[in-house]
Amino acid sequence: EVQLVDSGGGLVQPGGSLTLSCSTSGFTFGSSAMSWVRQAPGKGLNWVSTITGGAGDTYYSDSVKGRFTILRDKSKNTLYLQMLSLTAEDTALYFCARQGGGGPFDGFDFWGQGTMVTVSS
Amino acid sequence: QSVLTQPPSASGTPGQRVTISCSGGSFNIGDNYIYFYQQIPGSAPKLLIYRNDQRPSGVPDRFSGSKSGTSASLAISGLRSEDEAHYYCAAWDDSLRGWVFGGGTKLTVL
Repeated sequence: EVQLVDSGGGLVQPGGSLTLSCSTSGFTFGSSAMSWVRQAPGKGLNWVSTITGGAGDTYYSDSVKGRFTILRDKSKNTLYLQMLSLTAEDTALYFCARQGGGGPFDGFDFWGQGTMVTVSS
Repeated sequence: QSVLTQPPSASGTPGQRVTISCSGGSFNIGDNYIYFYQQIPGSAPKLLIYRNDQRPSGVPDRFSGSKSGTSASLAISGLRSEDEAHYYCAAWDDSLRGWVFGGGTKLTVL
């Protein structure tokens, strides 16, 4: 059974940093593309970043490029999102999602439960 | 402003058929697969339709997807109260080199 468990969210001051984790099981982690998708309170879904299976090519939305880094540890079957220079606009529920193949354009088939990030002084 | 355009709301009575549209462009829907997700408030999104018209196991055949050119639609037949949720479309965008979502459609079962 595919399982994704998000963690690491919390309250952080503007300009601060935070690292989110997504612990996975039930599938071959290193072969699957993985993504982070966020949802601001009361708003829709917004893609943040993707890392492909295999080579681990990375993609970022313009809103986070240069501030966020997507990483994976194959030995721990865990996906990470390092977030720097956080602003109020980054306040959202962050979901990790598995993609149905190894490429960036395979859709999201399983989702974590989400972890909340609040950026506020 | 979302890259993919969905109506903000839709409604129907139990047993009815409703459709939710999703409009995009040549670099996203026109060139790539469309996906539809259901999100019940307080829960993670759930995959409903993948690769335009395919249903994952466990998704009732009341749900169907279609795509034509740069537009797509999700149809729900035999509407049930538990279908009340938000629905999102998504596609890879070759120009943006990333995923784009619709703004979401809130479905109300009257």
